[in-house]
Amino acid sequence: AQKVTQAQTEISVVEKEDVTLDCVYETRDTTYYLFWYKQPPSGELVFLIRRNSFDEQNEISGRYSWNFQKSTSSFNFTITASQVVDSAVYFCALSEGMDSSYKLIFGSGTRLLVRP
Amino acid sequence: NAGVTQTPKFRVLKTGQSMTLLCAQDMNHEYMYWYRQDPGMGLRLIHYSVGEGTTAKGEVPDGYNVSRLKKQNFLLGLESAAPSQTSVYFCASSKPPGTPRYFGPGTRLTVL
Repeated sequence: AQKVTQAQTEISVVEKEDVTLDCVYETRDTTYYLFWYKQPPSGELVFLIRRNSFDEQNEISGRYSWNFQKSTSSFNFTITASQVVDSAVYFCALSEGMDSSYKLIFGSGTRLLVRP
Repeated sequence: NAGVTQTPKFRVLKTGQSMTLLCAQDMNHEYMYWYRQDPGMGLRLIHYSVGEGTTAKGEVPDGYNVSRLKKQNFLLGLESAAPSQTSVYFCASSKPPGTPRYFGPGTRLTVL
């Protein structure tokens, strides 16, 4: 069965600290997608990244970086030099199969609070 | 370019009442989705559509019906609302092969 676990319910950091949000997934498929979404206090969801199971290269986008490790079934998200605007709930998600990338299974989310 | 819009933003229903949530997108996307988000949980897929005139069940379809008569609109119906359907509902859209990238602002529904 497919499952996404975000063990960190809430994280609080001071601005400019680096922070890593953990995501561990379970799937029997060899072909799957992993995602991260951001939900700021305003409530909308913002797509951040999609990674397929064949691409284990780390991804960096500005202050954001993602570390995909198949050996540990993890897809962790790091924010470097955090800012108050990074405060949000972050969701990791999984979908199985190349043709079903829209059938996402979400983790329960990690609430990040960045204090000034 | 409004992106994905949802109507209404808030609604309170009594048990047994019916209502329809409207999702509209102006990006000419083929795929549209309805999710629900309950407190402390991630989103769960209710129904989705891969094109005009087509719909399919997601993870939690019971108690809901959908229609996609026009490409830009995806309607979610509750025929007989129950308190368990109290939730925030999100609509999303995407191009094929389908990663929900664009979300609406959400509809907060309370069923008393």
